[in-house]
Amino acid sequence: NAGVTQTPKFRVLKTGQSMTLLCAQDMNHEYMYWYRQDPGMGLRLIHYSVGEGTTAKGEVPDGYNVSRLKKQNFLLGLESAAPSQTSVYFCASRKDRSREQYFGPGTRLTVT
Amino acid sequence: DQQVKQNSPSLSVQEGRISILNCDYTNSMFDYFLWYKKYPAEGPTFLISISSIKDKNEDGRFTVFLNKSAKHLSLHIVPSQPGDSAVYFCAASALGQGAQKLVFGQGTRLTINP
Repeated sequence: NAGVTQTPKFRVLKTGQSMTLLCAQDMNHEYMYWYRQDPGMGLRLIHYSVGEGTTAKGEVPDGYNVSRLKKQNFLLGLESAAPSQTSVYFCASRKDRSREQYFGPGTRLTVT
Repeated sequence: DQQVKQNSPSLSVQEGRISILNCDYTNSMFDYFLWYKKYPAEGPTFLISISSIKDKNEDGRFTVFLNKSAKHLSLHIVPSQPGDSAVYFCAASALGQGAQKLVFGQGTRLTINP
């Protein structure tokens, strides 16, 4: 099993550009999450999904959109990137009736 | 409002000694607590957890202690090894709240010195 994978690993965007980050998991997990990590702030939840076709807002959802069309994939979109969205983005998943989340390797995004 | 706090940004410990990482929380609805370890350029990996019905959980060199009255938990690593050098995140979740989402502390960078 590959676990949780994220594409791409690195990306540089100009202000106003758009992009989509892809998260894929092969563990048949119901729940998936997108976090961002900034220095001194830990990991903050952007959006999450409790199953295929469902999404919900987390702590810092503004400027991001998500979709979960397939159970194994969770996409994070930036429609118009801003320098404040420069961060490391982590995707995670967990199975039902468990609290442990499994994380991907992260995507480092820089917006200039 | 920081519901989970790790007040020590960094900690330096000699190899072989005990490392103690601390975490405080404010939300009394939290009923499950986890510690994650993170190496540079990698995602966090689960280390150990504890339910609020317990006050201690042990796994090899790692022990987590929970003091519910003080809303405080700690991670003990004994003995500390060079490979333990990493950033450690404390996280908490509440049953029934936001799909049991995790709320993370800011992290503590642990350095084990030879």
